Amino acid sequence: GAVVSQHPSRVICKSGTSVKIECRSLDFQATTMFWYRQFPKQSLMLMATSNEGSKATYEQGVEKDKFLINHASLTLSTLTVTSAHPEDSSFYICSARRQPGQGKKYNEQFFGPGTRLTVL
Amino acid sequence: GESVGLHLPTLSVQEGDNSIINCAYSNSASDYFIWYKQESGKGPQFIIDIRSNMDKRQGQRVTVLLNKTVKHLSLQIAATQPGDSAVYFCAETGQGAQKLVFGQGTRLTINP
Repeated sequence: GAVVSQHPSRVICKSGTSVKIECRSLDFQATTMFWYRQFPKQSLMLMATSNEGSKATYEQGVEKDKFLINHASLTLSTLTVTSAHPEDSSFYICSARRQPGQGKKYNEQFFGPGTRLTVL
Repeated sequence: GESVGLHLPTLSVQEGDNSIINCAYSNSASDYFIWYKQESGKGPQFIIDIRSNMDKRQGQRVTVLLNKTVKHLSLQIAATQPGDSAVYFCAETGQGAQKLVFGQGTRLTINP
């Protein structure tokens, strides 16, 4: 159990276009989802925390108008990179946390497989 | 600010030897620590975790040690295999905190 999927796994787009990435918890309900960005040979950097039914909380330095996050249901969160530029090219990873009461571990997060975004 | 760092960015070991990956954390309020394994092009994979009320926890071929006095965490992998080649990250969080703070990562390579 506790599977998180991401779609697409890989996307190439032209500069100036918008790209939507989906994150789904397949077999559990996630009240909270997290979006990370990872550049080559670097660690995961948290971009934002997304709580179902409310606005996302963005980390310092992350533009909320550029990285739109929607968490409309307990199993789906989306990240839209608006007006993408080459510097937005990165590996985007989401994670989902179980709804309180279902989890066996403290604050456990389950990670998706990541989405490789390349902006030309 | 909060930070979690690793002592070594790369580690190369002989197949069959034991591997030790280290991590230092600075937030004394952190009370839950996790080690993740990340293979190329994939998301992080949970390996093992430990709470601050413990100093050692063992899994299958892996052991995590926690030294709260010096804020140090280590991951020991016994009888390292080629499939263990990956980047290993430590992460920490505190009670009530939602987010994980990741360390820099250590790339583990296995020599045949």
